[in-house]
Amino acid sequence: QKEVEQNSGPLSVPEGAIASLNCTYSDRGSQSFFWYRQYSGKSPELIMFIYSNGDKEDGRFTAQLNKASQYVSLLIRDSQPSDSATYLCAVSGGGADGLTFGKGTHLIIQP
Amino acid sequence: EAGVVQSPRYKIIEKKQPVAFWCNPISGHNTLYWYLQNLGQGPELLIRYENEEAVDDSQLPKDRFSAERLKGVDSTLKIQPAELGDSAVYLCASSLAGVGSPLHFGNGTRLTVT
Repeated sequence: QKEVEQNSGPLSVPEGAIASLNCTYSDRGSQSFFWYRQYSGKSPELIMFIYSNGDKEDGRFTAQLNKASQYVSLLIRDSQPSDSATYLCAVSGGGADGLTFGKGTHLIIQP
Repeated sequence: EAGVVQSPRYKIIEKKQPVAFWCNPISGHNTLYWYLQNLGQGPELLIRYENEEAVDDSQLPKDRFSAERLKGVDSTLKIQPAELGDSAVYLCASSLAGVGSPLHFGNGTRLTVT
């Protein structure tokens, strides 16, 4: 059973600071990694995806992947109140495996 | 580009009644997923289709749940009979190139079983 672990939070961060969200996964063969943002009562929306070790930046968002440590993170710079949401980490293995989601981290940006 | 379309948005039924959800994926997306999401939890995969073939239905409770994707486009998920524990949000998603490519979700159907 593949597992994706996230701290459920809430994680409270002051406006303008860097929010750091973390995720670990159990399947060492995992190859694709995704971060989704989900506002209350809404469906998940894709924020970032990363396939290779290292960092990937997109605007205020940076995804970091360390396959040796089975660890993926999302950094949000210059956090805004509109970033307040639940952030879901999702992992896909090789072969025919589908996407496994973590339970999500609830992020609160304090004005 | 139109997104993933689901209907209905909300459904309230009594236990033991049947219910069906419909999904139209993004045009050109061959892979279609049905997920279930309970409050405070991440989405859990029910079934994945590659075109019209169900390639992963290991988590689908087959005694009461069924799904189909005729012609490899629209899909329907059915529950018969519904139980109180089936109350959840049912999410449909599609992707362009199968596993490993990003999923795009519809707005979901919130089911309440009374």
